[in-house]
Amino acid sequence: GDSVTQMEGPVTLSEEAFLTINCTYTATGYPSLFWYVQYPGEGLQLLLKATKADDKGSNKGFEATYRKETTSFHLEKGSVQVSDSAVYFCASDLFSQGAQKLVFGQGTRLTINP
Amino acid sequence: NAGVMQNPRHLVRRRGQEARLRCSPMKGHSHVYWYRQLPEEGLKFMVYLQKENIIDESGMPKERFSAEFPKEGPSILRIQQVVRGDSAAYFCASSPTRPGVSTEAFFGQGTRLTVV
Repeated sequence: GDSVTQMEGPVTLSEEAFLTINCTYTATGYPSLFWYVQYPGEGLQLLLKATKADDKGSNKGFEATYRKETTSFHLEKGSVQVSDSAVYFCASDLFSQGAQKLVFGQGTRLTINP
Repeated sequence: NAGVMQNPRHLVRRRGQEARLRCSPMKGHSHVYWYRQLPEEGLKFMVYLQKENIIDESGMPKERFSAEFPKEGPSILRIQQVVRGDSAAYFCASSPTRPGVSTEAFFGQGTRLTVV
């Protein structure tokens, strides 16, 4: 079945460091891919998405490119800030029985130290 | 426009009791999804509802779990005779139309259920 695997955490970095959180997927079709972020005490928010191969999603300095050949959607940011501390979830979508279901990775907790 | 509201945020139940989790979608949204996050795991789809209809409940355990989304009022996820394995975070998401490539589902803050 469809699945998403992401880099295990927790990840701790210093401010202004380069960030990569790896995400790979398996799918029978051609899903859209997403990164969601959960800040402390809040719900999940869509960070960025890509709907087809070679698309790049970007938002708030974060980027991820849909790589069909490596079935990956790695999240990157050139210079992280303390405010980026959160849990990040990679997800793909799956349409069945009239519903769009999101298939999530297990989440990666990111802590940025000043 | 308030976001998706879930309550309670934290719920403690003894084994064998019932748990009722509520989700009020964003104003104008008629589609609701429930997801469960077990400790150290990702969110897993449980059920998709529209007003007064269950569209897809393929992710719901066959026993003890039920969901509804009445014409008036919030969506309810009900767990009867809870067991320790039900301890998890339960997230609700809503969307204005059937989610697709150009439609985003908005998530609530989740309800953390602890069974003691």
